[in-house]
Formats: sequence, C-alpha cells, structure tokens
Amino acid sequence: DSGVTQTPKHLITATGQRVTLRCSPRSGDLSVYWYQQSLDQGLQFLIQYYNGEERAKGNILERFSAQQFPDLHSELNLSSLELGDSALYFCASSVSGTAYEQYFGPGTRLTVT
Amino acid sequence: DQQVKQNSPSLSVQEGRISILNCDYTNSMFDYFLWYKKYPAEGPTFLISISSIKDKNEDGRFTVFLNKSAKHLSLHIVPSQPGDSAVYFCAASGQAGTALIFGKGTTLSVSS
Repeated sequence: DSGVTQTPKHLITATGQRVTLRCSPRSGDLSVYWYQQSLDQGLQFLIQYYNGEERAKGNILERFSAQQFPDLHSELNLSSLELGDSALYFCASSVSGTAYEQYFGPGTRLTVT
Repeated sequence: DQQVKQNSPSLSVQEGRISILNCDYTNSMFDYFLWYKKYPAEGPTFLISISSIKDKNEDGRFTVFLNKSAKHLSLHIVPSQPGDSAVYFCAASGQAGTALIFGKGTTLSVSS
C-alpha cells in the first residue's frame, strides 16, 4: 500500500459527460501528479500541483482540468468526454520539490461508451 | 518522439535464472532514473533508482546499471521468482520534483 488513495476505482460514463476523479496523497506529501495510461502506452504526464499551486503541465487536453485543495487532496475533472478518453488515470505524490521518487495510487479506470 | 524506450514488450524467464530488462533514453538532460513494477489492477510500485553520477545501484535481488555514454540502463533481477511476474516501467527525470517520463513497459513472466 503506497498510502495514495484514489476514488472511484472504476467509472463508466457516456460520451459528452463530465466526471471527477479524486486523489489523496501520502501523509506529508505536498506534490500531486496526474498521469494517464491508455492502451499500449506508458504513463503520460498530465499535470502537477505543489502545495495547492499548479506547478507543471504536460499533455493535458483543454477539456481536462485539476485542482489541489488546502487539505492537499486533488481532483481531476474531465469534461465533454470522448471515446478516446477511456484509460487508466493514476495519481502520484512525492514529499517535496527535492524528491524524484513518486508513489502511485491504484488508479481509476475510466470507460467512456 | 519517445524519450524513454523499452524495446522489448515482453520477456520470459525461468525461475532461478536472471532477468534483464533494458531501457534506452534520448535526452541527455535526464539525471535520475527509476524502475517501477506494476501488477494488474494496481498502481506502479517504486522498485529501485539510480542517479546519473553512479553506474550501478543494488538492492537485494535487484540491480540497476547505467551506461551514460550509450544512454542505456538495465534492471537485473537475480534470482527471478514467479512473484516477479509483472509489467516493469523505466522512468527518467531531469529535475527533482518534476514529472517522470515513462517507457511503455516490459511484461516479465517468470515460470516455475
């Protein structure tokens, strides 16, 4: 158990809908990262938050957004969903800006039908 | 353009033998490399890492070798056990506290 929690574990929704994925980092970790893993792909970095502030953006679509709250949990919002958004979404956390190692949650499997 | 490449999608090894998983990178700014292991329906688990100032790091049955001139690293598992069967991801970073760049993974199967 990495100490990172993600909810829900599975999500099935229709095209055009909006969903919210939730992540709670390990106790004491200030950085949260969101990654997407599509079929046959490695993990693709989406966005990073550090202590409530957006720190870096990767290959994140404009239809996607995220935030980190004062209690450090984070939410990833996906809107106007398309079939191609079906993927595993992982959240990871790390202790601070000085650490390389990231610890991953179990992921949310999103299926868009 | 993939900056981290794992060219072997799969590897099969017998229990007790050595497993060697390979990873190549193209970005010379990477200064830290990590290996993660992933079981089905679970998130990636950190396994072992190496800084670019070293050429070898060992942790029990797991050893990572780094060849900077060739931009190549490898993970050795000795001896391999059936419980090692999983997908192994190589990852790289150019700065602490930033996103990791992952390869597509290698599926290791260890048979008894």
